Amino acid sequence: GAVVSQHPSRVICKSGTSVKIECRSLDFQATTMFWYRQFPKQSLMLMATSNEGSKATYEQGVEKDKFLINHASLTLSTLTVTSAHPEDSSFYICSARLPSLRYEQYFGPGTRLTVT
Amino acid sequence: DAKTTQPTSMDCAEGRAANLPCNHSTISGNEYVYWYRQIHSQGPQYIIHGLKNNETNEMASLIITEDRKSSTLILPHATLRDTAVYYCIVESGYALNFGKGTSLLVTP
Repeated sequence: GAVVSQHPSRVICKSGTSVKIECRSLDFQATTMFWYRQFPKQSLMLMATSNEGSKATYEQGVEKDKFLINHASLTLSTLTVTSAHPEDSSFYICSARLPSLRYEQYFGPGTRLTVT
Repeated sequence: DAKTTQPTSMDCAEGRAANLPCNHSTISGNEYVYWYRQIHSQGPQYIIHGLKNNETNEMASLIITEDRKSSTLILPHATLRDTAVYYCIVESGYALNFGKGTSLLVTP
């Protein structure tokens, strides 16, 4: 099946700094990628939809200036958490759809962000 | 997208069938039913999806009632590795909105 990778798997950063998370589709081209956030013992919350070559669409309540999403190629989307704060500590997960199979989404393994 | 209701948790003995119910009484005609699962601290995994007909693949079976207001995911022979949170999602667009899901515990 299709494989989606994320890097890094874990990151610890200091409050006020920025951190970039990469999401790659390894064996297919993804015109659309999604970014989710999951707090402990909670469900996944969709943050934004990322379309290759265009601006991301953010869900209500997600600050687009804080969570910068770039989808510059068909295999790479990045999420940059700017000026991170402890409350941004969470599990960030990306996913991608195969263009030919709109019904299946493939998820990355997730990135655990801890802001100290 | 229609809202779904699932039990918070379920137990199943290893080797037995696990039947996970989902209510989606407000589902509309063009909305699909999807099932994903998430093993602890991993990304979700696609299991199966359906529109009207029952579906089966190598992982599971999906039974959708005739009125489409509910469905059941069946894991025919549950193993310990099937312990996970199972999400039933109804959507017609491209984004998945995850609810709370059912935490399935498979016991020896």
